[in-house]
Amino acid sequence: GAVVSQHPSWVICKSGTSVKIECRSLDFQATTMFWYRQFPKQSLMLMATSNEGSKATYEQGVEKDKFLINHASLTLSTLTVTSAHPEDSSFYICSARGEGGELFFGEGSRLTVL
Amino acid sequence: SQQGEEDPQALSIQEGENATMNCSYKTSINNLQWYRQNSGRGLVHLILIRSNEREKHSGRLRVTLDTSKKSSSLLITASRAADTASYFCATTSYSGNTPLVFGKGTRLSVIA
Repeated sequence: GAVVSQHPSWVICKSGTSVKIECRSLDFQATTMFWYRQFPKQSLMLMATSNEGSKATYEQGVEKDKFLINHASLTLSTLTVTSAHPEDSSFYICSARGEGGELFFGEGSRLTVL
Repeated sequence: SQQGEEDPQALSIQEGENATMNCSYKTSINNLQWYRQNSGRGLVHLILIRSNEREKHSGRLRVTLDTSKKSSSLLITASRAADTASYFCATTSYSGNTPLVFGKGTRLSVIA
């Protein structure tokens, strides 16, 4: 089946630094990818829709200047958490839609901001 | 928002028993999907049921969909300890390339 690779799987950083998370579709092209955030024991909350070659669409309440999304190619979307704070610590998951409409998910990236 | 709501939020059963999880949603959907998530891991797609389908099977999984009640159920038969995970339902609407909207999930514990 289709595979979505997410990197890094975990990262620890200091407050004020920026962290970039990559999401790659390995064996298919994805014009649209989605970024989710998940707090412990909670559900996935959609943050933004990443569109190849255009600006991302952010959900209400998600700061676009805080969470920069770039979808530069049909197989890669990146999420950059800028000026990270401890409250940004979370599990971030990306997904990409396959040709059949099914969504495939990355393994997630756990961010811990000290 | 058409966020799904699963119940129960947590379920603990003995190995070999069946586990049933329910999901309700709010608006019209194109399809409903069930996903599994092991702790700290990504999501694994289990099964997709379209709005014009009522029941679907895949191995030990059985999914039903009642669009009149805006609800779905996931049945796992003959559960195994390895089935221990969180299970989420997610829906997509008809309008274009829309993302999945997830429910809160059911945490299933299967005790050996």
